[in-house]
Amino acid sequence: EAGVAQSPRYKIIEKRQSVAFWCNPISGHATLYWYQQILGQGPKLLIQFQNNGVVDDSQLPKDRFSAERLKGVDSTLKIQPAKLEDSAVYLCASSLGGLAGTFQETQYFGPGTRLLVL
Amino acid sequence: EDKVVQSPLSLVVHEGDTVTLNCSYEVTNFRSLLWYKQEKKAPTFLFMLTSSGIEKKSGRLSSILDKKELFSILNITATQTGDSAIYLCAVVNSNSGYALNFGKGTSLLVTP
Repeated sequence: EAGVAQSPRYKIIEKRQSVAFWCNPISGHATLYWYQQILGQGPKLLIQFQNNGVVDDSQLPKDRFSAERLKGVDSTLKIQPAKLEDSAVYLCASSLGGLAGTFQETQYFGPGTRLLVL
Repeated sequence: EDKVVQSPLSLVVHEGDTVTLNCSYEVTNFRSLLWYKQEKKAPTFLFMLTSSGIEKKSGRLSSILDKKELFSILNITATQTGDSAIYLCAVVNSNSGYALNFGKGTSLLVTP
């Protein structure tokens, strides 16, 4: 079974530039999560989708971050404009839970995108 | 606000030692606690615990949950250099969409 795919693996940009990350979850997984992991910290949830609907985006800095999952499969996370403090690893995870409002705790993570903002 | 505190934050041991990693939590509507291992890439799932006192085991790793005292431990016996990683503890609040609320992790280094 293929795991969660993410790209790019690394990205270096200057502050105020924009950047986008892509995630393809495990086939059949309805729920998709984006986490931000700053060096020395545990991952922090940015946004959660179930199919193509947003479940939780309360911790997403909406003035600069946006995310979409238009067809309920792949997802993109965008930062525009980037700040120095956005330097982090961006992890995508997926889990089963297809029925609306039902979820499963066990999440499977992709390899992450390491972003450095200069 | 839900809290997860892991200790120690870092640990250095010799191969063959046994280690115990700690995770304490405060969560309004506890559903489950999960352990993940993170090497240089994706966190990989180790255990999910929902009931007190029931030990989960996988090879040299084991974990147990105490819902009364609000903590969990992860034990690794006969450590190997391949156990070197960051071990993450996360709790799930049943009021949320089951997003994981992580601690800072424990960085374990096993030396030959």
